[in-house]
Amino acid sequence: DAKTTQPNSMESNEEEPVHLPCNHSTISGTDYIHWYRQLPSQGPEYVIHGLTSNVNNRMASLAIAEDRKSSTLILHRATLRDAAVYYCILTATDSWGKLQFGAGTQVVVTP
Amino acid sequence: VTQTPKFQVLKTGQSMTLQCTQDMNHNYMYWYRQDPGLGLRLIYFSYDVKMKEKGDIPEGYSVSREKKERFSLILESASTNQTSMYLCATQQGTGKNIQYFGAGTRLSVL
Repeated sequence: DAKTTQPNSMESNEEEPVHLPCNHSTISGTDYIHWYRQLPSQGPEYVIHGLTSNVNNRMASLAIAEDRKSSTLILHRATLRDAAVYYCILTATDSWGKLQFGAGTQVVVTP
Repeated sequence: VTQTPKFQVLKTGQSMTLQCTQDMNHNYMYWYRQDPGLGLRLIYFSYDVKMKEKGDIPEGYSVSREKKERFSLILESASTNQTSMYLCATQQGTGKNIQYFGAGTRLSVL
């Protein structure tokens, strides 16, 4: 399975943007890039996903490099409720299988 | 996705059933365990009623899916190495590959 690499932690001030990088240099042409987050004492929560084009939803934006070997999750205005571990994972098209969560990035938001 | 109980303490050798129910009419349901430094590991999954498939670490566990909305994880004889956070997830089908997770069951085996 293709692997992803993320920084261990990132800090941000409240109401400032947060850019979370993810490297996935061995991504295959049919792999989707998914982001999940996990708040303390909660299960993981889906954030966003994309294949080739940049994507926006109410939670975040996903910017995908042209060669698809890296991507960036953008939280436009961080709030205290965004403090969580963010996971970047790859899933094969039409996959029913397991999600491979790595260590993720711990996001700390300070008021 | 609702998981019960939220917390449980067992003694070694006791049996326990962790319950997971969903109201999204999803076909696929999964059981993972999450341990520090090891990420999420798949125990079992099910793609239909009465159907089940082993994941990466099925030893010591069994599952049951008698109804579409319920997927149970069974520990027949708990051991200390089964102390963990257990997470249930659902997925509609093989299209968007998005999984929806419950809040988890924190299990301690003493």
